[in-house]
Amino acid sequence: DSGVTQTPKHLITATGQRVTLRCSPRSGDLSVYWYQQSLDQGLQFLIQYYNGEERAKGNILERFSAQQFPDLHSELNLSSLELGDSALYFCASSREGQGGFEQFFGPGTRLTVL
Amino acid sequence: AQSVTQLGSHVSVSEGALVLLRCNYSSSVPPYLFWYVQYPNQGLQLLLKYTSAATLVKGINGFEAEFKKSETSFHLTKPSAHMSDAAEYFCARMGGGADGLTFGKGTHLIIQP
Repeated sequence: DSGVTQTPKHLITATGQRVTLRCSPRSGDLSVYWYQQSLDQGLQFLIQYYNGEERAKGNILERFSAQQFPDLHSELNLSSLELGDSALYFCASSREGQGGFEQFFGPGTRLTVL
Repeated sequence: AQSVTQLGSHVSVSEGALVLLRCNYSSSVPPYLFWYVQYPNQGLQLLLKYTSAATLVKGINGFEAEFKKSETSFHLTKPSAHMSDAAEYFCARMGGGADGLTFGKGTHLIIQP
């Protein structure tokens, strides 16, 4: 158990819909990262937050957005969903936002878009 | 763009044999490097990391990796494979600034009895 929790574990929805994925980092970790894992693209970094502020952006689509709240939990919002958005979405947390600190991964949310 | 290349999408070894999973990175400056393992239907677990303190890094479960700057490599090894080592292994890099991990495409390790 990494100490990072993600809900829900599974999510099935239809094209065009909007969903919210939730992540709670390990106690004491200030930085949260979101990743997408799919067969086509592999593991891709989406976005990073540090202590409530956006710190870095990766291959995140404009239809996707995220935020980190004062209690440091984070949410990833996916809208206008397409079939290709079906993937495993991971959240990870680390103590700091840079410097090679190891990232601890949650169990993931499996999103299926029908 | 910085990248990570894992040679071999599938590697099969016999139980008790040496495990060698290859990883090369592209970077003008040595980055931070990591190996993660993913078991079926689970998240990623850190095996080991390189942060410039030592070129030979020991990790969990008997794994180790050697950083070779001249070869821009960070190969993962284990002297004797166990059936429980069967999983997907990912090599990843990170720069010094704020950024996410850049992953290789992964290597599926198969252990033959």
